[in-house]
Amino acid sequence: GAVVSQHPSWVICKSGTSVKIECRSLDFQATTMFWYRQFPKQSLMLMATSNEGSKATYEQGVEKDKFLINHASLTLSTLTVTSAHPEDSSFYICSARGPASFTDTQYFGPGTRLTVL
Amino acid sequence: AQRVTQPEKLLSVFKGAPVELKCNYSYSGSPELFWYVQYSRQRLQLLLRHISRESIKGFTADLNKGETSFHLKKPFAQEEDSAMYYCALREGGGTSYGKLTFGQGTILTVHP
Repeated sequence: GAVVSQHPSWVICKSGTSVKIECRSLDFQATTMFWYRQFPKQSLMLMATSNEGSKATYEQGVEKDKFLINHASLTLSTLTVTSAHPEDSSFYICSARGPASFTDTQYFGPGTRLTVL
Repeated sequence: AQRVTQPEKLLSVFKGAPVELKCNYSYSGSPELFWYVQYSRQRLQLLLRHISRESIKGFTADLNKGETSFHLKKPFAQEEDSAMYYCALREGGGTSYGKLTFGQGTILTVHP
């Protein structure tokens, strides 16, 4: 149980376009999801905390108008990279806080590789 | 602000040798520490947490508040232990509840 999926697993887009990444909790409801960015062989950097039914909380230095987060249901959060540029190319990972009795555990998605040309 | 430091980016050992992956933290509150592992081409997954004081796949980690450390240890490394290991600290209550701060990660390679 407690599986998190991401779609797409990889995407290539042109500079200036927008890209949407979905994060789904498949077999549990997640009121809180987290979005991370990971550079090659480096750590995960938390971008924002997504709470169902409310606005996301962004970390310092993360542009909320560029990285739009929507958590419209208990099983889905989306990250939209608007007007993407090559420097936005990265590996984006989401996680969901676990179901009841496992809420102190985060379950991670497989990640989405974004390449902006 | 909280901080997690893993001083070794790379760690190589031979099969059967003991292994210790270091993790130090700084946090003003009462810390909750975790170790996550990422095997090649797989997603990040929880290895163990200090609260449960459990041993997973032969790994153990003890929280040392005096030294602000949470080192991961295994007495006899196996080739399948080769992976990226992340130490993480979870904030307490309030609006930051659940937020994880990760260390830089240590790539463990176990040679045959």
